[in-house]
Amino acid sequence: GQSLEQPSEVTAVEGAIVQINCTYQTSGFYGLSWYQQHDGGAPTFLSYNALDGLEETGRFSSFLSRSDSYGYLLLQELQMKDSASYFCAVRPFNAGKSTFGDGTTLTVKP
Amino acid sequence: DAGITQSPRYKITETGRQVTLMCHQTWSHSYMFWYRQDLGHGLRLIYYSAAADITDKGEVPDGYVVSRSKTENFPLTLESATRSQTSVYFCASSDQYEQYFGPGTRLTVT
Repeated sequence: GQSLEQPSEVTAVEGAIVQINCTYQTSGFYGLSWYQQHDGGAPTFLSYNALDGLEETGRFSSFLSRSDSYGYLLLQELQMKDSASYFCAVRPFNAGKSTFGDGTTLTVKP
Repeated sequence: DAGITQSPRYKITETGRQVTLMCHQTWSHSYMFWYRQDLGHGLRLIYYSAAADITDKGEVPDGYVVSRSKTENFPLTLESATRSQTSVYFCASSDQYEQYFGPGTRLTVT
């Protein structure tokens, strides 16, 4: 089976940089995705890494290393509105469904 | 309007009743998914569908039934609701790696 591990909570201050890690155990997958979910809202797609390396989208970047079974989401210039839960997910080669991590709750303090 | 919609948004029902949650998407995405999210927890996959008339179980299928006679609709039925099924239910659709989530249905079983 597949499993993904993320820290349950992370706290940072406004303007800082924070990294949310995702380690996984899966034999093969198409890529690593990240989703954001605000309290009371639906998850929304943030980024996708099909290949190893860094993908940058504005203040958010995502990284994947298949050799290390590891990825992370990097949030720069943190804003209060970044307070949310962040989920990593993988879609294995042998399945049409994705497996999600349990999520990391990010709290941004002033 | 284009997108993915769910109805009802809120539902209160009694133990033992049958409840159907509706999901509709306008993108003609092949894949559709049903997740439940309990308070403070991650997403758990109930059922998913790769195409019309093709459905498969996820992690927590017991007590739920799905059908997909048309590509755009993917209803979820709770055959005999139990208190443990009180949760927020998200429907999602996907064409490739990105999943698009509906706004969710908040279901309370009393």
